[in-house]
Amino acid sequence: DGGITQSPKYLFRKEGQNVTLSCEQNLNHDAMYWYRQDPGQGLRLIYYSQIVNDFQKGDIAEGYSVSREKKESFPLTVTSAQKNPTAFYLCASRGMWGANVLTFGAGSRLTVL
Amino acid sequence: DQQVKQNSPSLSVQEGRISILNCDYTNSMFDYFLWYKKYPAEGPTFLISISSIKDKNEDGRFTVFLNKSAKHLSLHIVPSQPGDSAVYFCAASPTSGTYKYIFGTGTRLKVLA
Repeated sequence: DGGITQSPKYLFRKEGQNVTLSCEQNLNHDAMYWYRQDPGQGLRLIYYSQIVNDFQKGDIAEGYSVSREKKESFPLTVTSAQKNPTAFYLCASRGMWGANVLTFGAGSRLTVL
Repeated sequence: DQQVKQNSPSLSVQEGRISILNCDYTNSMFDYFLWYKKYPAEGPTFLISISSIKDKNEDGRFTVFLNKSAKHLSLHIVPSQPGDSAVYFCAASPTSGTYKYIFGTGTRLKVLA
């Protein structure tokens, strides 16, 4: 079945450590996105990539980094510079043709202790 | 600056009645709008969308209405069912240039049996 796989589902880290969240899709979608969800704040865009080897900052990119070396993969690194990293992180993708719909993964919950 | 707003954090509706969820936007460049349903600790699932060339789109129990002059859209669910209880997000995007999807803060719908 085609879809988006995020891993790990749950992650605990100590303050000051970098952590990388994985996002893999087998939908052959060109565009990929990372969102963060906090209570009462909805989904906020961190980074997005429309094609391989290219990505743009979203509304809350500070303290995060991404890479897009392969079409199917868009990992997100939460660095120690991110002030409040504890959140639910969602990866999504969109095909270039057809319906302009984002397909989401199941999410990763990061807790910084 | 919140470009997509859902001013009602929560809504309770009796089973069988109509649920109406509202969303407002400020950016005139947005011309594609989507509604997503989300359960806790899961990724959002796509419900229905509408392009700015239309003012109504219907899919089964779900209908989305768009009022471009008021920059307002609404999702109607008829009849509401207990399984509809979830958080609903509206999202908006331009469809020229960068497809940057901006989400609202969500409305928690509770359908009472």
